[in-house]
Amino acid sequence: RKEVEQDPGPFNVPEGATVAFNCTYSNSASQSFFWYRQDCRKEPKLLMSVYSSGNEDGRFTAQLNRASQYISLLIRDSKLSDSATYLCVVSLNTGFQKLVFGTGTRLLVSP
Amino acid sequence: NAGVTQTPKFQVLKTGQSMTLQCAQDMNHNSMYWYRQDPGMGLRLIYYSASEGTTDKGEVPNGYNVSRLNKREFSLRLESAAPSQTSVYFCASSEALPGNSPLHFGNGTRLTVT
Repeated sequence: RKEVEQDPGPFNVPEGATVAFNCTYSNSASQSFFWYRQDCRKEPKLLMSVYSSGNEDGRFTAQLNRASQYISLLIRDSKLSDSATYLCVVSLNTGFQKLVFGTGTRLLVSP
Repeated sequence: NAGVTQTPKFQVLKTGQSMTLQCAQDMNHNSMYWYRQDPGMGLRLIYYSASEGTTDKGEVPNGYNVSRLNKREFSLRLESAAPSQTSVYFCASSEALPGNSPLHFGNGTRLTVT
């Protein structure tokens, strides 16, 4: 089983739609959680950290469910510019807090 | 600010050739990393440097060497390139431990080994 699993997509949604992605992780000792965004042929960039109580940043909401070992990302009112691959990243505390990257979920927002 | 700068952007090597990927950051970050990204796989850590003067192996270090030249620069060397090293390579840096502070990535190097 992969340490971090994501549905690769693509998720095709129209502008203005709400879309949600889930990511599951296998190590219950995981410490920190993040969503990174990667545009086509570009470098990943931090979108947001995921906190235990859930957190929101504008149109983006991240949730963590430790009991079921998954995190989610909700995007409201999708924009064309949201088209990208969203990487789920989990930090394991193995001395140097190893980061494990998911393979990403691709989102395509159409007019 | 330039952030993290990687060179070259593209490179084609023949099997057995060597090359060095250069990386520099201007954010005064302590930690630097080299990742590779392959289709269908998440980014995988090759080597990292927690602070100036230290380097450690990551998940996939075989076939690579690194040098933390100073606080700004962290280079990755392929001594004898193999087709399995065809990949996109990203350098990254962070102010503190990667679980506590965001990674800042360079633009990537697309390497093809024939």
